[in-house]
Amino acid sequence: KNEVEQSPQNLTAQEGEFITINCSYSVGISALHWLQQHPGGGIVSLFMLSSGKKKHGRLIATINIQEKHSSLHITASHPRDSAVYICAVDSGGGADGLTFGKGTHLIIQP
Amino acid sequence: DAGITQSPRHKVTETGTPVTLRCHQTENHRYMYWYRQDPGHGLRLIHYSYGVKDTDKGEVSDGYSVSRSKTEDFLLTLESATSSQTSVYFCAISEDRGWPQHFGDGTRLSIL
Repeated sequence: KNEVEQSPQNLTAQEGEFITINCSYSVGISALHWLQQHPGGGIVSLFMLSSGKKKHGRLIATINIQEKHSSLHITASHPRDSAVYICAVDSGGGADGLTFGKGTHLIIQP
Repeated sequence: DAGITQSPRHKVTETGTPVTLRCHQTENHRYMYWYRQDPGHGLRLIHYSYGVKDTDKGEVSDGYSVSRSKTEDFLLTLESATSSQTSVYFCAISEDRGWPQHFGDGTRLSIL
């Protein structure tokens, strides 16, 4: 079973700061996903990565397959970015090949 | 937003009672999933379905059963609820076994 570790667990920052959330995993994967869970509980998929880098608005996700590591960056952070960010890896082999990290709780203060 | 509805959204019940949670989708997606989310743990897969009447177990399936008699509905049943099953339950759907998965809004279940 793949072990997924996220860091930090909790992060409080000021509006406008550059944010980095990290995810590392133990076994090779076919894809990695970043999810966002808002305080109301809803979960949305932000990115799916198998290599390189993706950008959507102020969010950037990168992955280094050799180092088994991914980062999620938020530029010009805003209070509405406050949420739990979850990393999930797909180790292949079926629907039960998905492993989720415990999440990073991000608070952006005005 | 993907059309996924979970019901009920909140439920409080007593140990030993049966509980059924419903997930309804309007997307005609083949795959449906039930996860639970607990403090200190990531989302963990309970059961999933890859078609009508086709289901399989996930990581934490003990104490749970599922049924899918129609494409749009996936039911999760706790035959005899225990306090350890107090959790937030999420349903998700996908067109194939992979991603992206679309999640429901969750059901907060408390077993007293």
